[in-house]
Amino acid sequence: DGGITQSPKYLFRKEGQNVTLSCEQNLNHDAMYWYRQDPGQGLRLIYYSQIVNDFQKGDIAEGYSVSREKKESFPLTVTSAQKNPTAFYLCASSGQGAKTQYFGPGTRLLVL
Amino acid sequence: AQKVTQAQTEISVVEKEDVTLDCVYETRDTTYYLFWYKQPPSGELVFLIRRNSFDEQNEISGRYSWNFQKSTSSFNFTITASQVVDSAVYFCALSEAGPDAGNNRKLIWGLGTSLAVNP
Repeated sequence: DGGITQSPKYLFRKEGQNVTLSCEQNLNHDAMYWYRQDPGQGLRLIYYSQIVNDFQKGDIAEGYSVSREKKESFPLTVTSAQKNPTAFYLCASSGQGAKTQYFGPGTRLLVL
Repeated sequence: AQKVTQAQTEISVVEKEDVTLDCVYETRDTTYYLFWYKQPPSGELVFLIRRNSFDEQNEISGRYSWNFQKSTSSFNFTITASQVVDSAVYFCALSEAGPDAGNNRKLIWGLGTSLAVNP
């Protein structure tokens, strides 16, 4: 089945630790996105990538890093510089013309 | 600046009632897209509908219908004969659609409306 997968479903981070969230898609989409969702808030864009080996900062990129070495994959690293990382992280992708974004199941990150 | 407002934070209805979720948007673009997404308790956002700014026809899909009115900058979503499975957070979103938008179309999100359908 075509779709977007995110792993793990839950992730625990210790103080000062970097953690990486996985996002994979087999929809042959060019563009991929990372969003952060906090309770009572809408989605906020962290990073996006329109094409392999290229990505741009979104609205809240500080404390995060990404890579786009393959079309199918867009991992997000939450670095120790992100002081409030507890949130629900959603990955999305969109195809030609980027009209509609489709989402993965999300990863919930908690700080120990 | 672009903005999406979902004034209803929470709505609670009894099963089989009709319910309308409001979405009001602001944009200076003449060409844009409007979206509705559903987020059930599992967390995944499910795409429901995309509407182009040039297409003001209302749309019906089963128990779901959408009313797009450019004159009032609104894109409201109605669920007819609601069911418990409709309980979720519903998000309205807006994006540019013109040629300058390129291959990335940044979505502007409302804060969502939490719908609880009680048996």
